[in-house]
Amino acid sequence: EAGVAQSPRYKIIEKRQSVAFWCNPISGHATLYWYQQILGQGPKLLIQFQNNGVVDDSQLPKDRFSAERLKGVDSTLKIQPAKLEDSAVYLCASSSDRAQYFGPGTRLLVL
Amino acid sequence: GNSVTQMEGPVTLSEEAFLTINCTYTATGYPSLFWYVQYPGEGLQLLLKATKADDKGSNKGFEATYRKETTSFHLEKGSVQVSDSAVYFCALRWGLAGANNLFFGTGTRLTVIP
Repeated sequence: EAGVAQSPRYKIIEKRQSVAFWCNPISGHATLYWYQQILGQGPKLLIQFQNNGVVDDSQLPKDRFSAERLKGVDSTLKIQPAKLEDSAVYLCASSSDRAQYFGPGTRLLVL
Repeated sequence: GNSVTQMEGPVTLSEEAFLTINCTYTATGYPSLFWYVQYPGEGLQLLLKATKADDKGSNKGFEATYRKETTSFHLEKGSVQVSDSAVYFCALRWGLAGANNLFFGTGTRLTVIP
């Protein structure tokens, strides 16, 4: 069974630029999550989708972050404009049976 | 609110030593508890879980018991190997039906030396 796929794996941008991350969950998983993991900290949930609907986005900085899952499968997370403090690993996870499976993450560095 | 407090690292052990990584939690109600592991260059992997008090999760020689009375879920392994070197995250899941949110600790880096 293929795991959660994410791209790109690494991204370096300058502050105030925009960036987008892509996630393809495990086939058949209705629930998809985006987490932010700052160096030295545990992952923090940004947003949770159930199919193409948002279940929880209370921790998403909506002035600069947006996410969508239009067809209930793939998802994109966008940051516009990026700030220095957005440097982190962005993890995508999916679940079906209440266990979450994580992708390898996208490491973002904002200069 | 919900939170997880993990033993701070890094932890360095010799091969075949006994491992304990402490984890305590604060939560409303009865959360499920998890240990995730992150090997170098890889994504988070579920190591083990326990969904109710006194449950013991186990996998790959690791164990953790859900202790409601002490709100703890300490990770243990009797004899560590070099291949166990990784970052270990304790997490809890609590939320309204369908929310399924995970709250993570800060992680504990384990290095096992031959």
